[in-house]
Amino acid sequence: DIQMTQSPSTLSASVGDRVTITCRTSRSISNWLAWYQQKPGKAPKVLIHKASNLESGVPSRFSGSGSGTEFTLTISSLQPDDFATYYCQQYDNYWTFGQGTKVEIK
Amino acid sequence: EVQLVESGGGLVQPGGSRRLSCAGSGFSFYSFSMSWIRQAPGKGLEWVSYISYNSRTIYYADSVKGRFTISRDNARNSLFLQMNSLKDEDTAVYYCVRKDSGDYYFQFWGQGALVTVSS
Repeated sequence: DIQMTQSPSTLSASVGDRVTITCRTSRSISNWLAWYQQKPGKAPKVLIHKASNLESGVPSRFSGSGSGTEFTLTISSLQPDDFATYYCQQYDNYWTFGQGTKVEIK
Repeated sequence: EVQLVESGGGLVQPGGSRRLSCAGSGFSFYSFSMSWIRQAPGKGLEWVSYISYNSRTIYYADSVKGRFTISRDNARNSLFLQMNSLKDEDTAVYYCVRKDSGDYYFQFWGQGALVTVSS
């Protein structure tokens, strides 16, 4: 099984801040990684797939990078609508999610 | 517009059974592999099961193997999850999800169905 380590678990930030979330995998997954955003009481929504491909309709302030075992999700300028929980997910070997990162208002 | 609507959630006693359904619309259901993903209250996301478009390939997470059965009826645009021998730790919101047309990430999600296992 591929283990996912996502950090930090909680992040306090202000509107306009640049935010970075990291995801590490226990073995190389090439670029088979997706990022999701989830708001309370709602289903997750995909933001990024194949490590750096922005899903259609997702604002360009979201970006993803990395390959192999280390990946990052960056929000270039945090907006009020971005306060949510973010999950990484590998799909190289079955499917595994990271533990989540809650982005809170500072 | 792609829509996935789950039904069948509710309260069930430990050791009991429950069947979830998911109705797909707005896309060619018979062409897409589908999965179930769950989320325990206040916890993260866990992939549960996968079924290919033609039902020939099926996978389960170790946590549900031997207890849960995934199936589909392409004529009725429907996905199912039969859950037997339910445990307290199966309490979760269960999401029906559709993969991308080419890639294996989860592009579309239903609103979820809550299954509560409790005596």
